[in-house]
Amino acid sequence: EVQLVESGGGLVQPGGSLRLSCAASGFTFSSYWMSWVRQAPGKGLEWVANIKQDGSEKYYVDSVKGRFTISRDNAKNSLYLQMNSLRAEDTAVYYCARAQETTVTTWDYWGQGTLVTVSS
Amino acid sequence: AIRMTQSPSSFSASTGDRVTITCRASQGISSYLAWYQQKPGKAPKLLIYAASTLQSGVPSRFSGSGSGTDFTLTISCLQSEDFATYYCQQYYSYRITFGPGTKVDIK
Repeated sequence: EVQLVESGGGLVQPGGSLRLSCAASGFTFSSYWMSWVRQAPGKGLEWVANIKQDGSEKYYVDSVKGRFTISRDNAKNSLYLQMNSLRAEDTAVYYCARAQETTVTTWDYWGQGTLVTVSS
Repeated sequence: AIRMTQSPSSFSASTGDRVTITCRASQGISSYLAWYQQKPGKAPKLLIYAASTLQSGVPSRFSGSGSGTDFTLTISCLQSEDFATYYCQQYYSYRITFGPGTKVDIK
């Protein structure tokens, strides 16, 4: 059974940093693109970042470029999101998602999400 | 970035109704469109990709159509478990974007 379990969310002050993790199981993690997608409270979905199977390609939404870094450790079946210079508008539930093999940028499995709150 | 719009933003329907949700892209995206269903407090669920391909395990009452800029999601016979918010998503551009969502609630 495919499972994605996020962790690392919490309350952080504006300008602070946080590192999210996603533990994957039930599939060959190293064979899939992976992504982070977020959802602000009461709002819609927003794609945040993608990473290729071997980590050689990474893409970000403009609003997080230069502040967030997506990475992965295939040996540990884990996906990460390092978030620096956090702003109030980064407050959201962050989902880890597995990309479909055929499309690369649609997601067939999602974690339960981890809440990040940026507030003083 | 490609802007996605959806209509209506919300509506009420009854079990057994046929419902249609529309999604429009600000520029042509071929068939690079997906639909997701999300229930409160839960992660989104992929329903359709490539505009009309049903994801494995999704009931056949869900269907998608369209190409270019205009797309539709149809639920042929609404069931109680279908009351949720539906999002379209374009993946034509590497700057992936979602529509604002359409909430379907019980009449």
